[in-house]
Amino acid sequence: AQSVTQPDIHITVSEGASLELRCNYSYGATPYLFWYVQSPGQGLQLLLKYFSGDTLVQGIKGFEAEFKRSQSSFNLRKPSVHWSDAAEYFCAVVNTGFQKLVFGTGTRLLVSP
Amino acid sequence: GAGVSQSPSNKVTEKGKDVELRCDPISGHTALYWYRQRLGQGLEFLIYFQGNSAPDKSGLPSDRFSAERTGESVSTLTIQRTQQEDSAVYLCASRGSYEQYFGPGTRLTVT
Repeated sequence: AQSVTQPDIHITVSEGASLELRCNYSYGATPYLFWYVQSPGQGLQLLLKYFSGDTLVQGIKGFEAEFKRSQSSFNLRKPSVHWSDAAEYFCAVVNTGFQKLVFGTGTRLLVSP
Repeated sequence: GAGVSQSPSNKVTEKGKDVELRCDPISGHTALYWYRQRLGQGLEFLIYFQGNSAPDKSGLPSDRFSAERTGESVSTLTIQRTQQEDSAVYLCASRGSYEQYFGPGTRLTVT
């Protein structure tokens, strides 16, 4: 069965600093991977996705993620964090057929002035 | 265009009462999902509808939980005899091709 691990429950980053959020997945075949962001009181918004091809994918709001099969990872990065990026970030993997998303437990990002 | 909408946005109920949560998916999306998000936790899959196929109910935590969907339109999630552990945000999502689009959720508080 698929599973997703986000080892960091909380991360605090200074505004303007770079960010990397970790995600490791367990899946037997080629995974389809997603990053979602959830702002307080809001639903989840898709940041980016990886299906195949280029292992570095670009998303909205200046985010990118790199798929590394050898490490079973799909880490999210941003070169310069803004205060508005403070939110909860979820990594997810979907089974073939796109029937079910399996989510990690999330990483809460705090941005300090 | 319009996204996924859910109602109510907040619901406070007494233990033992029944509640109904509603989800309006994006028009034309054939797949619809319900998830539960407990405080400080990730999303827990509850149920999945795909067109006219039998729903995948494998995530429903107990027989107090049920959901219906008429065709490719509105879905309702019903929780009977609510318990305090049912307190959570219930999120609905719909999918057209590959991506799931989420509604803002219903925050359920059972007192």
